[in-house]
Amino acid sequence: DVKVTQSSRYLVKRTGEKVFLECVQDMDHENMFWYRQDPGLGLRLIYFSYDVKMKEKGDIPEGYSVSREKKERFSLILESASTNQTSMYLCASSPFDRGEEAFFGQGTRLTVV
Amino acid sequence: QKEVEQDPGPLSVPEGAIVSLNCTYSNSAFQYFMWYRQYSRKGPELLMYTYSSGNKEDGRFTAQVDKSSKYISLFIRDSQPSDSATYLCAMSYQTGANNLFFGTGTRLTVIP
Repeated sequence: DVKVTQSSRYLVKRTGEKVFLECVQDMDHENMFWYRQDPGLGLRLIYFSYDVKMKEKGDIPEGYSVSREKKERFSLILESASTNQTSMYLCASSPFDRGEEAFFGQGTRLTVV
Repeated sequence: QKEVEQDPGPLSVPEGAIVSLNCTYSNSAFQYFMWYRQYSRKGPELLMYTYSSGNKEDGRFTAQVDKSSKYISLFIRDSQPSDSATYLCAMSYQTGANNLFFGTGTRLTVIP
């Protein structure tokens, strides 16, 4: 069974902390994505990566950075967490030539207090 | 104006009903149309995928695309309580595209 695994289901962090969200996929997919999901706003793309060490900004990259040192792993970093970054974060992966067939992880519910 | 509009619901139907979920979009360049299902506290999972206009059927689910009206639909026949979830439409310009444009999702409850 194919899988995208996010390291935490729930996280509570303090304002100003540096936060790491980890994502691992076992499907040998080239593309990996980080989205955030908020009520009434749907899924919004933060960053994506189409290869190791490659990254592209999505629609809302401010306040975030990413790292992809290995093909199977894509990390999202909140450099200095703020309360407006409280959200559900979803990692996804897809084959290089079938970006529409995205597989999602379970999500990480992050609360910044 | 958002690129993809979706009625957020919520939508409640009795078991066995036919459900119609819809999205409209503004960009005529969209070619690929997807429906994702998201159960509570889970990530979305791909349910149906259609290229360009036409219908696609998979069991109790039918996806319909009308590019002339910029309108897509998902029909669920003989709805079951296990269909209770949020349904997200998504679109992209081309296969291999690195960005999907999502609707906000419609929450569906099927009452036994």
